[in-house]
Amino acid sequence: RKEVEQDPGPFNVPEGATVAFNCTYSNSASQSFFWYRQDCRKEPKLLMSVYSSGNEDGRFTAQLNRASQYISLLIRDSKLSDSATYLCVVTSTGANNLFFGTGTRLTVIP
Amino acid sequence: NAGVTQTPKFQVLKTGQSMTLQCAQDMNHEYMSWYRQDPGMGLRLIHYSVGAGITDQGEVPNGYNVSRSTTEDFPLRLLSAAPSQTSVYFCASSVDRRQAFFGQGTRLTVV
Repeated sequence: RKEVEQDPGPFNVPEGATVAFNCTYSNSASQSFFWYRQDCRKEPKLLMSVYSSGNEDGRFTAQLNRASQYISLLIRDSKLSDSATYLCVVTSTGANNLFFGTGTRLTVIP
Repeated sequence: NAGVTQTPKFQVLKTGQSMTLQCAQDMNHEYMSWYRQDPGMGLRLIHYSVGAGITDQGEVPNGYNVSRSTTEDFPLRLLSAAPSQTSVYFCASSVDRRQAFFGQGTRLTVV
């Protein structure tokens, strides 16, 4: 079973829409959680960390549900510039690496 | 501030050839790693290093070697290229094991 699983999409949404992505992780000992963004043919970049209490950064809200072992990302008022692939990432205590999901592709349509 | 620099950006190799992908960072990060990214597979860890002189294997280490003689540099060597090694390779560095800063990637094709 993969460490991290995501719906690959694609999600095609109109500008201004709200869109949500979910991701599940298999290791209940996972400690840290992140969303990375990857533009086409570019490197991944950290979008935001995900905390148990949930956190918000402008139009982006991330939530963590430890009991169900899933992470979500909500994007409100989608912009054309939000078009990218969003990668769910987890790491575990003592683990020396990040575990990446395969990514969810978002296209925001004018 | 350059961050993480990878060279080359593109490379075509013939089966059986060897080559080294270069990675350098100027952020004085202890932790560096190499990933490969393939369609439908996500990023997978090849090798990593927690400091100069220390390296370890990740999820898919076969066919690759690394060394870490300095904090700044972490080259990845392909010993005998195979078509299965056609991929996009990313080098990353971080202060700790969590937030990673990635280089721009190397697109490698093995024919």
